[in-house]
Amino acid sequence: DGGITQSPKYLFRKEGQNVTLSCEQNLNHDAMYWYRQDPGQGLRLIYYSQIVNDFQKGDIAEGYSVSREKKESFPLTVTSAQKNPTAFYLCASSEPRQIYGYTFGSGTRLTVV
Amino acid sequence: KNQVEQSPQSLIILEGKNCTLQCNYTVSPFSNLRWYKQDTGRGPVSLTIMTFSENTKSNGRYTATLDADTKQSSLHITASQLSDSASYICVVTHASGGSYIPTFGRGTSLIVHP
Repeated sequence: DGGITQSPKYLFRKEGQNVTLSCEQNLNHDAMYWYRQDPGQGLRLIYYSQIVNDFQKGDIAEGYSVSREKKESFPLTVTSAQKNPTAFYLCASSEPRQIYGYTFGSGTRLTVV
Repeated sequence: KNQVEQSPQSLIILEGKNCTLQCNYTVSPFSNLRWYKQDTGRGPVSLTIMTFSENTKSNGRYTATLDADTKQSSLHITASQLSDSASYICVVTHASGGSYIPTFGRGTSLIVHP
């Protein structure tokens, strides 16, 4: 079955530590996205990538970094510069022009300990 | 500014009852509107998608309506079930310079009690 897989489901980060969230899709989608979800707020775009080796900052990119070396993979690194990283992170992919909407992963909950 | 407002913020109903969720938007130029269902701790799953020319679209017990003139959409859930307990998110996409930009609402939290 085609889908989008995020791992791990739960992640704990110590102060000053970088952590990387994995996102893999086998839908052959060109575009991939990272969103952050906080309680009571809508999804906020961190980064997106329309094609391999290219990505763009979203609304809240500070303290995050990404890479897109393969079409299937779009990992997100939460750096120590992100001062409030505790949140639910969602990865998504889509066809060009989002004709059929997004397919979302099941999310990673990151907690700072 | 492109915005999507959903109401109510939360809703509690009894199993078997119907309910309607609202979505008002100021997104322009409009491309499409989607409703997603998000179970707690999971990613959103698409329920319906509507373009400018569509007024109504159904997916089982879920029926979405769109009034492009008043920029309003609703999601009607018929004969609610316990499994309908979730957050329902309205997403409106606009076209800009060849890109398609989604704006997410904050969601309506629905709780269905037995």
